Amino acid sequence: EPEVTQTPSHQVTQMGQEVILRCVPISNHLYFYWYRQILGQKVEFLVSFYNNEISEKSEIFDDQFSVERPDGSNFTLKIRSTKLEDSAMYFCASRPTRVSNEKLFFGSGTQLSVL
Amino acid sequence: AQKVTQAQTEISVVEKEDVTLDCVYETRDTTYYLFWYKQPPSGELVFLIRRNSFDEQNEISGRYSWNFQKSTSSFNFTITASQVVDSAVYFCAVSGGSYIPTFGRGTSLIVHP
Repeated sequence: EPEVTQTPSHQVTQMGQEVILRCVPISNHLYFYWYRQILGQKVEFLVSFYNNEISEKSEIFDDQFSVERPDGSNFTLKIRSTKLEDSAMYFCASRPTRVSNEKLFFGSGTQLSVL
Repeated sequence: AQKVTQAQTEISVVEKEDVTLDCVYETRDTTYYLFWYKQPPSGELVFLIRRNSFDEQNEISGRYSWNFQKSTSSFNFTITASQVVDSAVYFCAVSGGSYIPTFGRGTSLIVHP
């Protein structure tokens, strides 16, 4: 079965540094998502992306965050100046449509540790 | 606004025991969908089942069964005769008019041999 792939699996960074988390969604999918899970807390929606623009974003997704699809296959999440509270598991997901009953296909996540 | 509560943080059972994972959801939408995902040690969330708000029939798939009760806004998941391979984190989610699934915090299931 096709997979969503995420790199790196672990990222350690210093507070204030920029990080880029990378994802390759399933090739025929059109809708892309980033979620995150702070340890012990719920999986939180960050942003959705369609047709090369953000379609929805949560309150968490402030000016420190940005997303991009630079080359038609990769989908990236950039955090400009990381904070300690950005430490979390970040999940990328994709699906072919945006209807509510359509399941999401998730990657294995990137564990981001901000020191 | 949507919300999912999975009150059980961690459940530990011995193999062959039955176990029920609880999920309580909140949504203002009249049409919505409920999901369960499994997160094995490899990390990715894997889709297990989807239910729509108009179908309260319980569903059984092998050792897995799901009980949807609209009156209590619950969508519970039961594993019968649990196995070590069932050890994972299980997430419940709801998706309605916003099209964005809202997840709970997950329940970690540990099945001991």
